Amino acid sequence: NAGVTQTPKFQVLKTGQSMTLQCAQDMNHEYMSWYRQDPGMGLRLIHYSVGAGITDQGEVPNGYNVSRSTTEDFPLRLLSAAPSQTSVYFCASSYSVGRLNEKLFFGSGTQLSVL
Amino acid sequence: DQQVKQNSPSLSVQEGRISILNCDYTNSMFDYFLWYKKYPAEGPTFLISISSIKDKNEDGRFTVFLNKSAKHLSLHIVPSQPGDSAVYFCAATDTTSGTYKYIFGTGTRLKVLA
Repeated sequence: NAGVTQTPKFQVLKTGQSMTLQCAQDMNHEYMSWYRQDPGMGLRLIHYSVGAGITDQGEVPNGYNVSRSTTEDFPLRLLSAAPSQTSVYFCASSYSVGRLNEKLFFGSGTQLSVL
Repeated sequence: DQQVKQNSPSLSVQEGRISILNCDYTNSMFDYFLWYKKYPAEGPTFLISISSIKDKNEDGRFTVFLNKSAKHLSLHIVPSQPGDSAVYFCAATDTTSGTYKYIFGTGTRLKVLA
């Protein structure tokens, strides 16, 4: 059981380049989300999805796009990378949402550097 | 506007003693709280949770206390072990309003000294 899989683990981009961070889960989870972790800022929610075809913005959505065409996949797109997007990105999922006793399962992260 | 705050960036504790990590929140609609543990170069892993209908939840060496009137929760680790050295994040969510967001704090780095 792979859980939440993120690729790539490391990426270096130049300012203005685009790329997609991949996230896949094999647990049939309805809810998926993306966070970024920065020193002193903790984990901040970028975008989330409560099911295929449904996405919404989190705390820091600017500069990022998402889509959810399948239950399993939730890619995060950077259309024009900026140095401020240098961060560690985590994908997380849960079976459902809006219920007590749920918990998020996290991937191992993608470390992104934008030069 | 930081809705979930962990005001201690770091904490050092001797092995065998109690570790107490604190978390404050501002949104009175939050009704479910979680603690996560994170080792370097790994994703956060779930530790323990508590709903607002309780004021205490225990799981082995880990106990979470919730004070709703003060909008404060704490994680107690007894006894602390060197393997507990990690960054701990608290998180909160509102399960009733349909916002579907888990909001995390800034984390506390715990170092357990052998």
